[in-house]
Amino acid sequence: DTAVSQTPKYLVTQMGNDKSIKCEQNLGHDTMYWYKQDSKKFLKIMFSYNNKELIINETVPNRFSPKSPDKAHLNLHINSLELGDSAVYFCASSQATGGSYNEQFFGPGTRLTVL
Amino acid sequence: GNSVTQMEGPVTLSEEAFLTINCTYTATGYPSLFWYVQYPGEGLQLLLKATKADDKGSNKGFEATYRKETTSFHLEKGSVQVSDSAVYFCALTGSGGSNYKLTFGKGTLLTVNP
Repeated sequence: DTAVSQTPKYLVTQMGNDKSIKCEQNLGHDTMYWYKQDSKKFLKIMFSYNNKELIINETVPNRFSPKSPDKAHLNLHINSLELGDSAVYFCASSQATGGSYNEQFFGPGTRLTVL
Repeated sequence: GNSVTQMEGPVTLSEEAFLTINCTYTATGYPSLFWYVQYPGEGLQLLLKATKADDKGSNKGFEATYRKETTSFHLEKGSVQVSDSAVYFCALTGSGGSNYKLTFGKGTLLTVNP
């Protein structure tokens, strides 16, 4: 199936731990994103990569480090997890056109719970 | 910067009722406008889109018209079904350098009762 996939779907961990979330897309897109959805369902972009280059970094704590080994993958590593990091993290991808239209395709989300 | 304001809800309707979820935006230039839907326990799916003024996006009985004069993109459906119960997000991408970034409204929870 062509899609954006994320692993794991659920992640439960203790405060202070380091964890990673992986994202892969087989849509042939050149741009990938990470969004955070809080408990009130509010969605906010965190990072975006275009052709493995960071293009958006939205005032995210430097405990969060995205890594894009190739155009099809964008992983998110989080150091020293805090309670406030508990959220659902969505990966997305799109094909950058240079114009104003930029449909993004979303993964199923990773629910992170920090205890 | 860009922003999106939508009805916060929750909205509760009976099956076959008419639905309107209001959305207004602030953006420079010529944004593209979207409605995304998130069904319980799932990721976001694009419901419909409009890329220029007066365009009407439509899908699955939902419609929204890009109104530049009122900076609005209200979502409507004539007859909702129980299966439409979900969270609906209005969103935009800017033009030029900000076209990579989707700015979302806060989402509107819709519950449709049989």
